[in-house]
Amino acid sequence: QEHLVESGGGLVKPGGSLRLSCAASGFTFSDHYMSWIRQAPGRGLEWVSYITGSANSIHYAESVKGRFTISRDNAKNSLYLQMNSLRAEDTAVYYCASGVRGAFDIWGQGTLVTVSS
Amino acid sequence: DIQMTQSPSSLSASVGDRVTITCRASQGISTWLAWYQQKPGKAPKSLIYTAYSLQSGVPSRFSGSGSGTDFTLTISSLQPEDFGTYYCQQYRSYPLTFGGGTKVEIK
Repeated sequence: QEHLVESGGGLVKPGGSLRLSCAASGFTFSDHYMSWIRQAPGRGLEWVSYITGSANSIHYAESVKGRFTISRDNAKNSLYLQMNSLRAEDTAVYYCASGVRGAFDIWGQGTLVTVSS
Repeated sequence: DIQMTQSPSSLSASVGDRVTITCRASQGISTWLAWYQQKPGKAPKSLIYTAYSLQSGVPSRFSGSGSGTDFTLTISSLQPEDFGTYYCQQYRSYPLTFGGGTKVEIK
């Protein structure tokens, strides 16, 4: 059974940092591209970042470029999102998602990040 | 950036009704379009990829069509478990973008 589990969310002050993790199981992790997608309270879905299976191509939304860094460790079947200089508008549930055919076939349950003083 | 516009933003329909949700891209995306269903408090679930391909395990009452800029998601006979919010998403180019969502309620 294909499974993604996020962790690392929590309450952080504006300007602070947080590192999210996503553990994958039940599929060949290195064959899948991965993304972080977030959803602010009561709002729609917003794509944040993308990384290919071999990590040779990475993309970011303009809203997080220069502040967030996506990475992966295929030996550990894990995806990461290092978030620095956090702002109130980064408050959201962060989902990791994966696929092989362009869309996102597998989603985690999400982890809540709250940026507040 | 490619903007994705969904309509309607919400709808209420009865069990057994045929429901159609539309998604329009601000520029041509071929068939690089996906549809997702999200229930309250839950993660999105993939329904359709490449505009019309049904994900494994998704009921056949769901179907997708379209190419270029105009797309539709159709539920042929609405069931009680189909409530939730539906999102389209383009993956033609970065940044990847989602539509604003269509909330489906059961009358």
